[in-house]
Amino acid sequence: DAGVIQSPRHEVTEMGQEVTLRCKPISGHNSLFWYRQTMMRGLELLIYFNNNVPIDDSGMPEDRFSAKMPNASFSTLKIQPSEPRDSAVYFCASSLGTTDTQYFGPGTRLTVL
Amino acid sequence: EDQVTQSPEALRLQEGESSSLNCSYTVSGLRGLFWYRQDPGKGPEFLFTLYSAGEEKEKERLKATLTKKESFLHITAPKPEDSATYLCAVQAVGSNYKLTFGKGTLLTVNP
Repeated sequence: DAGVIQSPRHEVTEMGQEVTLRCKPISGHNSLFWYRQTMMRGLELLIYFNNNVPIDDSGMPEDRFSAKMPNASFSTLKIQPSEPRDSAVYFCASSLGTTDTQYFGPGTRLTVL
Repeated sequence: EDQVTQSPEALRLQEGESSSLNCSYTVSGLRGLFWYRQDPGKGPEFLFTLYSAGEEKEKERLKATLTKKESFLHITAPKPEDSATYLCAVQAVGSNYKLTFGKGTLLTVNP
């Protein structure tokens, strides 16, 4: 079975540009999570969706970040405008139910110059 | 606020040299403690979930144990392919979905 799919795997952009990260969760999973991983802060939860509805976006750093889940098989995380401090690895994870094991995608390594 | 501290930050072992990784946690009420393995350039890969003190789970050369304040990941006779970063995370009662992660332990096993 396919796991969580993320694209692109690597993204290099210049400060001020819009960046869109994409995620396809595991089929049948109704919970989706976006995380950011940095050396300094480790893995941090950005936003959580349940049944395509955003439940908790308290981890989104600022208004430059937005996330959508238009259907059960697709989610996006958008940064506009991007800044160098946004450079990190962004992971998408999904789980069967709210409290079940979260399965992670391969991540998108974002570099903002 | 939930907190997870992992030690050591890095551990270097010789092949066959058994050791343990530590995960200390502070949480209002523990629903579950999760162990993940992360290889360079990849996402965290699920290993174990522990729910109550005294519980143990095993997978190949790995055994995870849980007390009321910490969890240990015991690695018996490790092989070079066990080299990875091992992450611990807690899920608190009442916060349902939220995982609070530690910074991880980077394990290197030399042949």
